[in-house]
Amino acid sequence: AQSVTQPDIHITVSEGASLELRCNYSYGATPYLFWYVQSPGQGLQLLLKYFSGDTLVQGIKGFEAEFKRSQSSFNLRKPSVHWSDAAEYFCAVGGNYGGSQGNLIFGKGTKLSVKP
Amino acid sequence: KAGVTQTPRYLIKTRGQQVTLSCSPISGHRSVSWYQQTPGQGLQFLFEYFSETQRNKGNFPGRFSGRQFSNSRSEMNVSTLELGDSALYLCASTSGLAARDTQYFGPGTRLTVL
Repeated sequence: AQSVTQPDIHITVSEGASLELRCNYSYGATPYLFWYVQSPGQGLQLLLKYFSGDTLVQGIKGFEAEFKRSQSSFNLRKPSVHWSDAAEYFCAVGGNYGGSQGNLIFGKGTKLSVKP
Repeated sequence: KAGVTQTPRYLIKTRGQQVTLSCSPISGHRSVSWYQQTPGQGLQFLFEYFSETQRNKGNFPGRFSGRQFSNSRSEMNVSTLELGDSALYLCASTSGLAARDTQYFGPGTRLTVL
């Protein structure tokens, strides 16, 4: 069965420090991978997505992610964190099920706190 | 372009009641998906609609139902509410059915069941 694991429930980093959020997936075929961010009381905003091609994907707000098939990972990175990045981050895997986009399968999320 | 809108934003109900939540997708989008978000279970897929047809359904009891109208607006209904139905219900719209199509999420409806 498809699944997504985000091993870190909560991460705290200092403002200006680099960030890496981990995501591992289990999927039978080539996965479509997504990172979403959710601020308190808000819906989900797409940061970036991977379908094929270049394994390093650039997203909004200075985020990037690297797809590593051999490790079944899709880790999210940012070189310098800003206080406004404090939020919860969700990794998701999706696919095309018989002509339907199907559902996204989400990890449990990683809550990011930023120290001044 | 206006984003996905969900109404109401907050709702308080008591056990045994039923509730209807509404979602208006981005103009031109024809696919709507619903998700339930709880602290314990995280984000779970409820169902997906395209052109008024349910295309995909998650693993939820029959008390959870939905529909889509000809203008792509969607509603979901939960009958005989239970305490465990307290959650943030998120709606997402997509222009089509391709897996590449990005799902754009609304702000959610916070349902509290007392």
